[in-house]
Amino acid sequence: DAGVIQSPRHEVTEMGQEVTLRCKPISGHDYLFWYRQTMMRGLELLIYFNNNVPIDDSGMPEDRFSAKMPNASFSTLKIQPSEPRDSAVYFCASSLGPQVETQYFGPGTRLLVL
Amino acid sequence: DAKTTQPTSMDCAEGRAANLPCNHSTISGNEYVYWYRQIHSQGPQYIIHGLKNNETNEMASLIITEDRKSSTLILPHATLRDTAVYYCIAASGTYKYIFGTGTRLKVLA
Repeated sequence: DAGVIQSPRHEVTEMGQEVTLRCKPISGHDYLFWYRQTMMRGLELLIYFNNNVPIDDSGMPEDRFSAKMPNASFSTLKIQPSEPRDSAVYFCASSLGPQVETQYFGPGTRLLVL
Repeated sequence: DAKTTQPTSMDCAEGRAANLPCNHSTISGNEYVYWYRQIHSQGPQYIIHGLKNNETNEMASLIITEDRKSSTLILPHATLRDTAVYYCIAASGTYKYIFGTGTRLKVLA
């Protein structure tokens, strides 16, 4: 299995631009998660889906952030407009059921907003 | 989630056991202790978790003190590939844990 796939791996953009991060979960996994990691705040859960339905988006920082999961094999996290404080590593993870021990993380997207 | 305290860094000789401590003195009764690690430039990797009993899996062992105020992650035979940052988290819910600074483990050849 290829594991969780994220693209792009690195993104550099200017403040005000739209950024779209993409994730392909492990086949058969019915939970998908988006996390953000920074030195200051550590790893934070932004949103998670179960069977393509958003379950908890309380971690989404503000309306500039949106996430979609149109089907079981694809999800996007969009930031519009982007700001320098959004610079972070964004991880996507998927799991087979709610058991944390089945959760696998992708390699992350390193975002830098200038 | 309860606050956890870990040493900033540790070294371990290859082939020896690595014992990583964690203090979680304010842990509540329904909070589990989770351990994750993050190898450089990779996503976090789940290692093990437990409530109050000691746990063992193919990766590691978790020893939780009887009062649950501290725990130790044991990598029985550390290899160079175990060099990573190890995070201890005390949390009641799944997924919403926040990683702190962790322990940077360096396995030495």
